[in-house]
Amino acid sequence: AQSVSQHNHHVILSEAASLELGCNYSYGGTVNLFWYVQYPGQHLQLLLKYFSGDPLVKGIKGFEAEFIKSKFSFNLRKPSVQWSDTAEYFCAVKTYGQNFVFGPGTRLSVLP
Amino acid sequence: ETGVTQTPRHLVMGMTNKKSLKCEQHLGHNAMYWYKQSAKKPLELMFVYNFKEQTENNSVPSRFSPECPNSSHLFLHLHTLQPEDSALYLCASSAPGTGEPEAFFGQGTRLTVV
Repeated sequence: AQSVSQHNHHVILSEAASLELGCNYSYGGTVNLFWYVQYPGQHLQLLLKYFSGDPLVKGIKGFEAEFIKSKFSFNLRKPSVQWSDTAEYFCAVKTYGQNFVFGPGTRLSVLP
Repeated sequence: ETGVTQTPRHLVMGMTNKKSLKCEQHLGHNAMYWYKQSAKKPLELMFVYNFKEQTENNSVPSRFSPECPNSSHLFLHLHTLQPEDSALYLCASSAPGTGEPEAFFGQGTRLTVV
């Protein structure tokens, strides 16, 4: 069965610090990869996605992620976080004919 | 606004009550999903419908009963729930096999079982 792991349960950063959240998945075939963000009290919204093509994907709000097929990874990065980035971040994978599989989430707290 | 609308946003129900959660999307998607989000647990997929047909029931107890009358609407009927069923119930939709594979989520229904 497919699975998605996220390395960190809770990350605490100061404003302007750089962010990298790890995501690894277990599936050897073609994958679609996603990062979702859930701000407090709000719905899950898509930050970015990898479908095909350039493995470095840029999303909204200055986020980017890099798909490294050999490492089965899709890490999320942001060079300088803001207090408003405080949220829970979910990595997800989808393969053809299968359902979305979500990681357990990483809570990010940004201190002003 | 995500294009996926869930009602009600909050629901408190007793263990003997019967209630229903509603989800509606007008994005033209043909797949709809129910997820359960509990504190400190990963998102749990409950049910999947593709073209109104249920294609996944992820070992969900029978006290949860889904219904998909058409490709735009999805219901989750609840009866004789337990306190541990208290959670955020999320509906999502997607268009598999297209250039937009991502799932769009509703705001969720916060359910409390007392």
